[in-house]
Amino acid sequence: NAGVTQTPKFQVLKTGQSMTLQCAQDMNHEYMSWYRQDPGMGLRLIHYSVGAGITDQGEVPNGYNVSRSTTEDFPLRLLSAAPSQTSVYFCASSTRTDTQYFGPGTRLTVL
Amino acid sequence: AQSVTQLGSHVSVSEGALVLLRCNYSSSVPPYLFWYVQYPNQGLQLLLKYTTGATLVKGINGFEAEFKKSETSFHLTKPSAHMSDAAEYFCAVSDTGGGADGLTFGKGTHLIIQP
Repeated sequence: NAGVTQTPKFQVLKTGQSMTLQCAQDMNHEYMSWYRQDPGMGLRLIHYSVGAGITDQGEVPNGYNVSRSTTEDFPLRLLSAAPSQTSVYFCASSTRTDTQYFGPGTRLTVL
Repeated sequence: AQSVTQLGSHVSVSEGALVLLRCNYSSSVPPYLFWYVQYPNQGLQLLLKYTTGATLVKGINGFEAEFKKSETSFHLTKPSAHMSDAAEYFCAVSDTGGGADGLTFGKGTHLIIQP
């Protein structure tokens, strides 16, 4: 099992550009989440999904879109990147009662 | 709403000394509590978790934590620090056993080990 994978590892964008952060898991987990990590702020929940076709907002959803068409994939879309979205992004997956497994992260810089 | 407070953004201990990282939480329902560790430029790894049952929870790498409901605390300890313990530590709370609908994290404590 590869676990939770994220691509790309690093990305630099200009303000206003769009991009999609990819997240995939091969553990057949129904739950998946996206977090952002900023210095001194810990991790904050952006969006989560409790199964294919079902998503919900977390603490900081503004500026981000998600969809869940398959159990395995949970992409995070930035439609118009802003410098405030410079951060490290982590994807996680789990079953209803098991612990969340985290991916290695994507480091995003918006200029 | 849930919240987590980690006291001390930086904690420095000598190698071989006791490690104590503090975590207090607020939750409107019986909480599920977690400690994660993050080594530089890596993702998060679960150290231990409290769901139900025994209030003293043992984790990996010699760490343990005690759930104290009356104090709303879940402090992390290790009897003897090792240089390899230097990392960022996060306490987190959830309404569900696995945090499947999202974890609420504290801001983290950077553990520094002095030789």
